[in-house]
Amino acid sequence: DVQLVESGGGSVQPGGSLRLSCAASGFDFSDSEMNWLRQVPGKGLEYLSYIGTSGSTKYYADSVRGRFAISRDNAKDSLYLEMQSLRAEDTGVYYCAVGGYPLRYWGQGTLVSVSA
Amino acid sequence: SSELTQEPSVSVALGQTVRISCQGDSLRSYYASWYQQKAGQAPLLVFYGISDRPSGTPDRFSGSTSDNTASLTVTGAEAEDEAEYFCSSRDTSGQLLLFGGGTKLTVI
Repeated sequence: DVQLVESGGGSVQPGGSLRLSCAASGFDFSDSEMNWLRQVPGKGLEYLSYIGTSGSTKYYADSVRGRFAISRDNAKDSLYLEMQSLRAEDTGVYYCAVGGYPLRYWGQGTLVSVSA
Repeated sequence: SSELTQEPSVSVALGQTVRISCQGDSLRSYYASWYQQKAGQAPLLVFYGISDRPSGTPDRFSGSTSDNTASLTVTGAEAEDEAEYFCSSRDTSGQLLLFGGGTKLTVI
């Protein structure tokens, strides 16, 4: 079975940093495009970032470009999101998801809270 | 980029048919995908493309597209279908994804 397990969320002050991880299993991770999205509890989904299979192609939403960095380690079947200069509006549940389009499988998410 | 617009909520009587719509310019170029999200759970892909249903999605779920509007139809709604439904497509650059605001489906 496909499993995606996010970790690394928590509470941080504005301006702080966090690194999220997504551990993948049950599929060929190195041959899979990956994504990060977030959701404010009770609100809609916001697409954040894409990374190609080798890691050389990366795309970012305007809201996080220059502050967030997506990366992957195919040897460890892991996806990462390095988040810097965090703002209150970055608060939400962060999901990793498999696929270019559509997003075929999603993890259960990790909660990030940015507040003073 | 662009936007995808969904009605905030719809309701359907048990066993009846309901259509959830999604409107946006990007749908003229890209097929929609649809995700079901139940309370406290991650989104789940239920339909995509012209007629593609992931294994495990009941065949009462179907999709269609006309011009700039995509629709997800649930034929014979069951209580377990009560959830929020999000549509998605690629944006006009083709690089990023867009999501609609979600439609809360209530089965009464």
